[in-house]
Amino acid sequence: EVQLVESGGGLVQPGGSLRLSCAASGFTFSSYWMHWVRQAPGKGLVWVSRIDSDGSSTKYADSVKGRFTTSRDNAKNTLYLQMNSLRAEDTAVYYCARDNGVAKNDYWGQGTLVTVSS
Amino acid sequence: DIQMTQSPSTLSASVGDRVTITCRASQSISSWLAWYQQKPGKAPKLLIYKASSLQSGVPSRFSGSGSGTEFTLTISSLQPDDFATYYCQQYNSYSLITFGQGTRLEIK
Repeated sequence: EVQLVESGGGLVQPGGSLRLSCAASGFTFSSYWMHWVRQAPGKGLVWVSRIDSDGSSTKYADSVKGRFTTSRDNAKNTLYLQMNSLRAEDTAVYYCARDNGVAKNDYWGQGTLVTVSS
Repeated sequence: DIQMTQSPSTLSASVGDRVTITCRASQSISSWLAWYQQKPGKAPKLLIYKASSLQSGVPSRFSGSGSGTEFTLTISSLQPDDFATYYCQQYNSYSLITFGQGTRLEIK
């Protein structure tokens, strides 16, 4: 069974940093691109970033470029999102999602809440 | 960036109704469009990919159509479990993926 479990969310002050993790199981993690998607409270889905299967290529939404870094450890079956210079508008539930190519994001984690507030 | 516009934003319907949600892209995305269903407090669930392909395990009352810039999601006969928010997502460009703003389907 495919499982994605995010962790690392919490309350952080503006300007602070946080690292999210997404532990994958039930599939060959190293074969799949992965994405981060976020959702501010009461708002819609917003794509954040994606990373290719070996971690050699990443892409980011303009809103997080230069502040967020996506990485992965295929030996640990884990995806990461390093978030720096956090702003109030980064407050959201952050989901990791598997990229199945044509079928796009076929599996999602349950999400982890990041709250940026003083 | 490719902008995705869904309509309507909110849709009121009854069990058994046939409903259609539209998603328009600001430029052609061929058939690189997916539809997701999301219930409160839950992760999105993939329903349709590549505009019209039904994801495994999704009931056949869900269908998708369209290509280029205009797409539709149709639910042929609404069931109580279908009341949720629906999002389209374009993945034509691997540089930037974008979602529509969502359509909330509520009980009339």
